Amino acid sequence: GAVVSQHPSWVICKSGTSVKIECRSLDFQATTMFWYRQFPKQSLMLMATSNEGSKATYEQGVEKDKFLINHASLTLSTLTVTSAHPEDSSFYICSAKDGYGYTFGSGTRLTVV
Amino acid sequence: QKEVEQDPGPLSVPEGAIVSLNCTYSNSAFQYFMWYRQYSRKGPELLMYTYSSGNKEDGRFTAQVDKSSKYISLFIRDSQPSDSATYLCAMSPDSGNTPLVFGKGTRLSVIA
Repeated sequence: GAVVSQHPSWVICKSGTSVKIECRSLDFQATTMFWYRQFPKQSLMLMATSNEGSKATYEQGVEKDKFLINHASLTLSTLTVTSAHPEDSSFYICSAKDGYGYTFGSGTRLTVV
Repeated sequence: QKEVEQDPGPLSVPEGAIVSLNCTYSNSAFQYFMWYRQYSRKGPELLMYTYSSGNKEDGRFTAQVDKSSKYISLFIRDSQPSDSATYLCAMSPDSGNTPLVFGKGTRLSVIA
């Protein structure tokens, strides 16, 4: 089946630094990837939709200058959390549409200290 | 009213029980319905994918969609402790690159 590889699986960073999360579709081309954020015991909240070769579309209330999304190729999308603060600590998950459904990455747990 | 309503539980059942998980929705444009299983600190994994109304069975899992009632269900037969996870319903109006709309997820615990 389709696989989306997400790295890192967890990261701890200091407040004020930036963190990059990568998502790669391993066996299919993903023209569109979705980035979600998930708080403990809550559902997935869509942050943005990234399209290969164009600017991402952000959901209302999501700061595009803080959460930089780049989708430079059909197999790679990145989310960079810039100037991270403790309130950015969360579980971030990417997803891509494959031929059958939507495949999710394994998630990245970000802790900002 | 939220687009997709799902009882968050938690739901606790003994091993071997039949589990019924449900979602209701308000948007009649939804055509594609999915159930995902999410273990703690992992990404969701697709369990069932259904188009329009009807039933679909895969092993111990059965998905039902009733579009007239805007109601979908997931049944798990002979539940196992390994089924303990959060189950998320998700739906989409088309098969294109449209983001899924998720329910809140139901936390299930199967007790041995």
